Amino acid sequence: KNEVEQSPQNLTAQEGEFITINCSYSVGISALHWLQQHPGGGIVSLFMLSSGKKKHGRLIATINIQEKHSSLHITASHPRDSAVYICAVFKIPGSQGNLIFGKGTKLSVKP
Amino acid sequence: NAGVTQTPKFQVLKTGQSMTLQCAQDMNHEYMSWYRQDPGMGLRLIHYSVGAGITDQGEVPNGYNVSRSTTEDFPLRLLSAAPSQTSVYFCASSYSRSRGGYEQYFGPGTRLTVT
Repeated sequence: KNEVEQSPQNLTAQEGEFITINCSYSVGISALHWLQQHPGGGIVSLFMLSSGKKKHGRLIATINIQEKHSSLHITASHPRDSAVYICAVFKIPGSQGNLIFGKGTKLSVKP
Repeated sequence: NAGVTQTPKFQVLKTGQSMTLQCAQDMNHEYMSWYRQDPGMGLRLIHYSVGAGITDQGEVPNGYNVSRSTTEDFPLRLLSAAPSQTSVYFCASSYSRSRGGYEQYFGPGTRLTVT
């Protein structure tokens, strides 16, 4: 069983819709990372969370440590948000060698 | 700042050939890592380094070798290429956050095909 599970695997939305991507994990973690992989392949960091909620522009990330669950929300989605969104967790003791990735959620936003 | 750079962007090898994927960062990050990304699988850690002269194995180290003689450079060597090593390879540098975790900065990737 994968230690990091993302849902859905694929998501198609209309421009303007509110989008939620979920990440569940089964191990103790020190932090959780949301990444975005563009269609051209480049990977960029969106958020790093240890608790609570973070917001950057139209993106919001939340984490519930007790429930071992995190969500990434995109408000007023736009075609340029089309990408693969990857959840990754730092397993305790949380060293660089303990970063585990989910398989990603492929988002397509139609105009 | 160039960030994390990787060369080459594309490479085709024959089975048994060796080669080195180059990775460099100019952010003075202590940590560097190599990942491979295969269809239907998440990124998987090959090797990582916590500083110059210090490296350790990740989840899938077999068939790969690394060394880190400087803070800036972290090359990945394929000793004898196999078709199973066909993949996209990402190098990343990172720093430790006080609140936990390591902020990752990824290179653009190298697409490797082994025939």
